[in-house]
Amino acid sequence: GDSVTQMEGPVTLSEEAFLTINCTYTATGYPSLFWYVQYPGEGLQLLLKATKADDKGSNKGFEATYRKETTSFHLEKGSVQVSDSAVYFCALLNYGGATNKLIFGTGTLLAVQP
Amino acid sequence: DSGVTQTPKHLITATGQRVTLRCSPRSGDLSVYWYQQSLDQGLQFLIHYYNGEERAKGNILERFSAQQFPDLHSELNLSSLELGDSALYFCASRLAQNTGELFFGEGSRLTVL
Repeated sequence: GDSVTQMEGPVTLSEEAFLTINCTYTATGYPSLFWYVQYPGEGLQLLLKATKADDKGSNKGFEATYRKETTSFHLEKGSVQVSDSAVYFCALLNYGGATNKLIFGTGTLLAVQP
Repeated sequence: DSGVTQTPKHLITATGQRVTLRCSPRSGDLSVYWYQQSLDQGLQFLIHYYNGEERAKGNILERFSAQQFPDLHSELNLSSLELGDSALYFCASRLAQNTGELFFGEGSRLTVL
């Protein structure tokens, strides 16, 4: 079945460092890909998405490119801030089923130190 | 604020008990999804309702049940609780059955002692 694999955390960075969180997926067809962020004590928020190969999703300085050839959707940010500390989830959604549920990776905790 | 409201935010109960978690979707959203987030299992899809009808079940135990009411709010009932049911339970909603962004509530944290 469809699945998402993302790098285990925690990832600890200093402020202004470059961030990469790896995400790869297994799916039939052409899923849409998402990154969600969960700040402490809050629910999940959509950070960015890409719906087809070579699309780049971007938001708040974060970017991810849908790479079908490597089945990847790595999250990047050029300069992280303390306020970016959160858990980041990669997810896919394979349209065509009865429910189109999001399938999540296990989440990666990012801790940014001042 | 996503517009999805979940109550209670925190709940502590004992093994063998029964609890009900409530979700009010965003105004106008017809689809409601329930997810369970635990340390060892990550985010697991439980069940999906659309306009009052069950559409799909995921990894939902037989001790758990859910329903969506005519006013579109949903309840997740957890019975014969076990220690392993301790988790964060999220509700998410969206307008349509099959398309559109999912908006998540802040979750209900259940602790079973």
